[in-house]
Amino acid sequence: KQEVTQIPAALSVPEGENLVLNCSFTDSAIYNLQWFRQDPGKGLTSLLLIQSSQREQTSGRLNASLDKSSGRSTLYIAASQPGDSATYLCAVHDYKLSFGAGTTVTVRA
Amino acid sequence: DADVTQTPRNRITKTGKRIMLECSQTKGHDRMYWYRQDPGLGLRLIYYSFDVKDINKGEISDGYSVSRQAQAKFSLSLESAIPNQTALYFCATSVTSDRDTQYFGPGTRLTVL
Repeated sequence: KQEVTQIPAALSVPEGENLVLNCSFTDSAIYNLQWFRQDPGKGLTSLLLIQSSQREQTSGRLNASLDKSSGRSTLYIAASQPGDSATYLCAVHDYKLSFGAGTTVTVRA
Repeated sequence: DADVTQTPRNRITKTGKRIMLECSQTKGHDRMYWYRQDPGLGLRLIYYSFDVKDINKGEISDGYSVSRQAQAKFSLSLESAIPNQTALYFCATSVTSDRDTQYFGPGTRLTVL
């Protein structure tokens, strides 16, 4: 059974600081890994998807890396802004999506 | 208009009542999913369907049933609601040609008293 862990559970940083969010998973036989953003009371928005054959994926200020052999992915958010405050979820896709519990980020102005 | 819609958005009901949550999508995707989210537990898969004639149980299907009425519609039923089914429920869709990227609806907040 795939287990996905996100540490820390919560993070508070001043505006402008770079964010580093971690995700680990137990079974490396994955199809892809997806990072989502969730705002309070809202649905999930897909940020980045990394195929199992890829090492990283970038979109604007976001960069996600994948090390399948060690079961780790990291989401980097450069030059954080208050609008980046949200919960970030990592999900690993083998035959289904398995989610971590998320990291709640607060960016202080 | 949103690509994935869920109705109702909020529902309060009593123990023992039958509840149906509905999901519709205009993305033309063949795959649809139902998840529940509980604080501190992330999202867990209840049921999924890869096409109209395909229904599969997820990791927490007990107490739930689903119906795939059409490619665009996927309903989740709680035959006899209980308080520990209080949660946020999400519907999602995907298609293999888009690397199975999942697109989520806005969620239904269900409270069972």
